[in-house]
This record gives sequence, structure tokens and C-alpha cells, in this order.
Amino acid sequence: GENVEQHPSTLSVQEGDSAVIKCTYSDSASNYFPWYKQELGKRPQLIIDIRSNVGEKKDQRIAVTLNKTAKHFSLHITETQPEDSAVYFCAASSGYSTLTFGKGTMLLVSP
Amino acid sequence: DAGVTQSPTHLIKTRGQQVTLRCSPISGHKSVSWYQQVLGQGPQFIFQYYEKEERGRGNFPDRFSARQFPNYSSELNVNALLLGDSALYLCASSLIAGGDEQYFGPGTRLTVT
Repeated sequence: GENVEQHPSTLSVQEGDSAVIKCTYSDSASNYFPWYKQELGKRPQLIIDIRSNVGEKKDQRIAVTLNKTAKHFSLHITETQPEDSAVYFCAASSGYSTLTFGKGTMLLVSP
Repeated sequence: DAGVTQSPTHLIKTRGQQVTLRCSPISGHKSVSWYQQVLGQGPQFIFQYYEKEERGRGNFPDRFSARQFPNYSSELNVNALLLGDSALYLCASSLIAGGDEQYFGPGTRLTVT
């Protein structure tokens, strides 16, 4: 089955800095890679996703890149703000299978 | 347009008891997936249903079962509860089966004592 590794487990940045979270996956058939943000006590929220036919996708301050050859994808957050503080999860799916999640990255943005 | 809803919000059970959790998907979504999230970990896949049929099952014991109704709502049942079943149980709704664009409900926090 699919295995998703996520790094780092914790990340502390100053407000205004950039943050990068990296994930690797094992199943070459995986073709859908979403990122979820989970604030304390709340549901995981889908913030951005990318499919295997695209190398990069941006949405305002958030971007995701995918390297299919190396089987890794990354989340980039620019101009971080305190409200970006949360746990971020990457996940992978091969279309017919459901999501396999990484273990999460706790992002702390200090004012 | 209502999002994914789950009930109850919180539940406390004792070991050996049985529990039923409920989920209503986003209107128009025909697939429901169940996940278990233990504190400090990512969600772990339990079941996926699409058009009332089981489309996938994760690595969970037979004590876990689920079903989907004609209105696409779903129930997750857990029998013979163990302390290790204490977790946040999340339901995710999607248009079709598979992993694409799953939207989560607020979850049910289950505590087994």
C-alpha cells in the first residue's frame, strides 16, 4: 500500500518568513496530492491540491510543487501570518484508492 | 449549502460497549469515507462507501463496520470497544469514490474508559 512520509514534524518561523513542508510517497500510481490544514480542535480543511499532470499550483500565498520522478511534493507558504499556525497534513491517492496521510507538521508562526 | 455534519460531537463509552457514529455528506456528494485520527497523528482510513457499496476498507479489525443509506448518509459501528479505540472519528464527503477532493466533517470525539 501507499506510504507517505512528511517532514519536518514541527516548524517555527517568524511572521513574514516563508515555510516549506515536504512529503514523499511510495506508490508510483498515486496521482492526486492534497494538503489539509487542521487548527486545534477543528476539522481538517482542504487548502490546496495538485494532480500528477501538473508540476506546480499556486493560490495566493500558498503553492504546491510535485516531482513525480522523485516521488515528492512540497507545500510553500509565503509571507506567513500568525493565523497560518496549525497542523498541516499532506496526503496521496491513486484515484481509485482513498487518501493516505502523512503524520503532520505543526507550524508555529511567531509575531 | 450545508457542509458535512456528524453526530454526536462527543461520546464516552466503557470497554466492551458498542457505539454508532453518524455522518451526513454535502448535498450532491455520493461518497463517504471514515477515518480515525489519534492525537498527534494523521487520519487513518477505515472505510469508503459510494452509492451504498463498500469501495475500500483500511487495516482495521472486524469490530469496525459501516453502511451507507439511500440518502447517502452513513453510519460507523464499533463493537467490543477497547481503550485504544479512543480517537477523533472523521467523516469525509466527496462527489465520487477515490481520494479526490474529500471534505471533512467536524468529527466525533470518542473516549473509551
